[in-house]
Parts: sequence; structure tokens; C-alpha cells
Amino acid sequence: DTEVTQTPKHLVMGMTNKKSLKCEQHMGHRAMYWYKQKAKKPPELMFVYSYEKLSINESVPSRFSPECPNSSLLNLHLHALQPEDSALYLCASRAGFYNEQFFGPGTRLTVL
Amino acid sequence: QQPVQSPQAVILREGEDAVINCSSSKALYSVHWYRQKHGEAPVFLMILLKGGEQKGHEKISASFNEKKQQSSLYLTASQLSYSGTYFCGTEVTTSGTYKYIFGTGTRLKVLA
Repeated sequence: DTEVTQTPKHLVMGMTNKKSLKCEQHMGHRAMYWYKQKAKKPPELMFVYSYEKLSINESVPSRFSPECPNSSLLNLHLHALQPEDSALYLCASRAGFYNEQFFGPGTRLTVL
Repeated sequence: QQPVQSPQAVILREGEDAVINCSSSKALYSVHWYRQKHGEAPVFLMILLKGGEQKGHEKISASFNEKKQQSSLYLTASQLSYSGTYFCGTEVTTSGTYKYIFGTGTRLKVLA
């Protein structure tokens, strides 16, 4: 199984809402990533988990809160987002430093 | 720090060839290439490693010049399915931590 799944596919939320994005992989990869991608731009790294520990936080605002409950799951908790946070949020996993990343289909987030 | 890709955009007819370049101001240890179709997740194409090792999954080729800190992706006899945005990606070090960064992207459109 070389698939990374993400739910939901689409999410519309108000600025006062709390929601979560979910990512799952069963490839045994120990590195998992969250990216944010705006239209016509490359994906931008947000967080990296390595062996279920947060190893990189790219100065992301605290309204984004990542969580890695186990080696297969990655969550991104959202609270009090701003309209400029509207984007495609991609999750990826990777076996190791010299291996490719496998991406999930993404969650298209709209903040009203 | 972000690798710069050229050209920014290219339009081809089916069967024509294209070269996409990726240039970094930092030392490259490996270069990855991905293709992303509109509204979809990036899909892995190829990894080039320092020392010449190369891993890929499709009938494409690429080069990696460590001294010049550059990589090039060669698309020959292009097909309609090659349309999309191509990104190079690499690890860069910041304060002793490796983080993954994508290049600026090249939009490729293949016409019938």
C-alpha cells in the first residue's frame, strides 16, 4: 500500500471555528510532513515529524497545531484561522533522507 | 535559499523535447523532481543523489551537477500527459537542521 490518505477533501470554516485535518499512511514511514500550498506556488513546509516527534516547525502561527498520535497518523488542528490561511494543505510521508516523499491528495481549505 | 527553476513556463507540441533547470545557491546533496497536475498532489518522478546514483519511476532522464549546484530534467518526445507543474526539491540546512524545500516551479503545457 503506497497511499497517503487525507480527510476531509474540502473544508470551509469560519474564523472562530475549530477543525482538524487528518493524514494517514501505512507504509511504515517514520517521517511525516505538513505543507501549505497557495495557487501557482510551490508547497511550503510547515511541520516535520520524525519518529513521532516534532523535528521542524517552520515558524508557523500557533493557530496551527500539529499532532502525531502514532507512526501512521498525523493531524493538523486549526483554530481561529484567517482568510489568508485558505490554501491546499498537503501531507506527505517518507522512508528516509534519500527517499521520495509520497503525498496525499490534500485538503482544500477555505476560511471565510 | 529556494532553488530557482527555469524556464518559468513552457508550451510544447506533442513529440517535442524540453529541458527544465533547477539551480541552487546552496550545496546540493540530492535533488528530487516532482510533477503536479492542477488540483492534484505532487507525484514523484526522480531522485538524483550526490555521487551519481539515480532513482526514478518513469521514462525520463535528469542530470545533477554538484559543482554547479544544478540539476536538469529532460523530457523527450513529450506527451499530453506531461502537462503540469514541475518542481525540483532538496534538503537545505538551517542552523544544523535539514529541511525540505521546493524550487520555484516550471509550468509545462503540451498541446496536441
